[in-house]
Amino acid sequence: QSALTQPRSVSGSPGQSVTISCTGTSSDVGGYNYVSWYQQHPGKAPKLMIYDVSKRPSGVPDRFSGSKSGNTASLTISGLQAEDEADYYCCSYAGSYTPVFGGGTKLTVL
Amino acid sequence: QITLKESGPTLVKPTQTLTLTCTFSGFSLSTSGVGVGWIRQPPGKALEWLALIYWDDDKRYSPSLKSRLTITKDTSKNQVVLTMTNMDPVDTATYYCAHDPEEDFSFDYWGQGTLVTVSS
Repeated sequence: QSALTQPRSVSGSPGQSVTISCTGTSSDVGGYNYVSWYQQHPGKAPKLMIYDVSKRPSGVPDRFSGSKSGNTASLTISGLQAEDEADYYCCSYAGSYTPVFGGGTKLTVL
Repeated sequence: QITLKESGPTLVKPTQTLTLTCTFSGFSLSTSGVGVGWIRQPPGKALEWLALIYWDDDKRYSPSLKSRLTITKDTSKNQVVLTMTNMDPVDTATYYCAHDPEEDFSFDYWGQGTLVTVSS
């Protein structure tokens, strides 16, 4: 069970859109529709932003959206805002009732 | 309103056993589909899932740490306990507990986390 692969960093200007990828295998991302995304600001606990690939919890802005194609899931943030600057982690079910996290991506808002 | 809070030692010595308690409110661990998980994060590093316990007492562990972990629940006290044996300095991390609402392996509520340092 290896960690999912995410880019170490992405960046964008306010108002732009950015996409963060999360690549796994057919045994995790590609095999199940149980991908979630978390936002983490420095010194804070992670916050659930997307679950079940593309569902948004109550209170999460619709600027955040999730999708999946094959073994790669993606988180897209449109209309970037300064407060979106944070670390983002994906997580996928990996079979046998075990989840696996990605390595994390640092989003910088220029 | 769901809340979770981790408690336990902030400093443990190498080879010792770590015991962490997650005390929660706003939900019951006897409700079908509900689970509580433990996730850790070494300083400056990524999240790592450790263990999950479900409403029916089903328990799941990270394959790489399975031999060192035990997770239990006390439904009457609204607590989940994680023990990790043979602690090593590489286990230094912030340990979080989190709520899984419906066995879909997403965690919608998290505790504030507790930093555990392993050092002699």
